[in-house]
Amino acid sequence: GAVVSQHPSWVICKSGTSVKIECRSLDFQATTMFWYRQFPKQSLMLMATSNEGSKATYEQGVEKDKFLINHASLTLSTLTVTSAHPEDSSFYICSARDPDVGSGANVLTFGAGSRLTVL
Amino acid sequence: AQSVTQPDIHITVSEGASLELRCNYSYGATPYLFWYVQSPGQGLQLLLKYFSGDTLVQGIKGFEAEFKRSQSSFNLRKPSVHWSDAAEYFCAVGDAGNMLTFGGGTRLMVKP
Repeated sequence: GAVVSQHPSWVICKSGTSVKIECRSLDFQATTMFWYRQFPKQSLMLMATSNEGSKATYEQGVEKDKFLINHASLTLSTLTVTSAHPEDSSFYICSARDPDVGSGANVLTFGAGSRLTVL
Repeated sequence: AQSVTQPDIHITVSEGASLELRCNYSYGATPYLFWYVQSPGQGLQLLLKYFSGDTLVQGIKGFEAEFKRSQSSFNLRKPSVHWSDAAEYFCAVGDAGNMLTFGGGTRLMVKP
């Protein structure tokens, strides 16, 4: 089946630095990827929709200047947390539409997630 | 706007016992419904999905779910729980576009 890979799986950084998280679709092309954020013991909240070759679409309340998304190729989307602060510490999960499922419905394949800890 | 409610935050069952996790949704049209499982520190794995047709859906790992339109529910069931089923379970509702809305999740603990 479709596989989505995320890197790094865990990153610790100092406050004020920027961190980049990569999301790759393996063996399939993903024109659209989704970035979710998950706080401990909470559900997933959609942050933004990443579109290959165009600007990302951010959900209400998500700072686009804080969370930069670049979808430069059909297999790679990156999320950069700029000037990270402790409140940005979270679990970030990306996903892409499973190409093995027919069109008309959105079945997502998720990456394993990236845990960001900001000191 | 679509929404999903999972009334049970935590559930504990004994190994070998049956399991039912509740999910209620709010959606204006015919929903696409999903159940995902998340092990600690991991991403989400799709257990099963409902798009149309037979309202009883079979998934992986022995799970099934039943879509009940009259009750706006999509409860997940398993006849005999294994210790490896301990995880967080998320119900989600989606449309034909790009929106998946997740419930708050239910953490399943399995007693030996």
